[in-house]
Amino acid sequence: DSGVTQTPKHLITATGQRVTLRCSPRSGDLSVYWYQQSLDQGLQFLIQYYNGEERAKGNILERFSAQQFPDLHSELNLSSLELGDSALYFCASSVVSGGVNEQFFGPGTRLTVL
Amino acid sequence: ELKVEQNPLFLSMQEGKNYTIYCNYSTTSDRLYWYRQDPGKSLESLFVLLSNGAVKQEGRLMASLDTKARLSTLHITAAVHDLSATYFCAGNDRGSTLGRLYFGRGTQLTVWP
Repeated sequence: DSGVTQTPKHLITATGQRVTLRCSPRSGDLSVYWYQQSLDQGLQFLIQYYNGEERAKGNILERFSAQQFPDLHSELNLSSLELGDSALYFCASSVVSGGVNEQFFGPGTRLTVL
Repeated sequence: ELKVEQNPLFLSMQEGKNYTIYCNYSTTSDRLYWYRQDPGKSLESLFVLLSNGAVKQEGRLMASLDTKARLSTLHITAAVHDLSATYFCAGNDRGSTLGRLYFGRGTQLTVWP
């Protein structure tokens, strides 16, 4: 158990819908990262937050957005869902220690869009 | 942007044999990370390699880093079935200690009796 929690574990929804994925980082970790894992694209970085502020953006679609709250939990919002959004979404958290940014991954949310 | 390439992508090996997974990356990277993923599960951190010549070992797995060649290897010694999983290497942009990780496509390892 990495200490990172994600809810829900599974989500099945229809095209055009909107969903929210939730992540709680490890205690003390200020950085939260969201990654998408699919068979064709592999593991792709979506977005990073650090202590409530957006730090970096990757291949995140405009239909997707995220935020990090004062208690450091983060939410990833996916809207106007398409079949191709079906994937495993991971949240990771980290704290830099000794110059090492080791990221610890949550269990993931498996999203299926029908 | 860092590009990370792993090979092979699929590896089927017999128990007791040795093999090496290779991870090449395109530009200088501060750190090199190895993760393990079981089917449908999360990523588990295996090794963090900090500098040129770094070598780390845990059980039957040994990872090394050659920053001059931009190459990391994950060596498997006397494989056992429990090592069957997908192994990912990842790097981050040089100078970006809080940065995103760039992942390879993963090596799916199957160990058979």
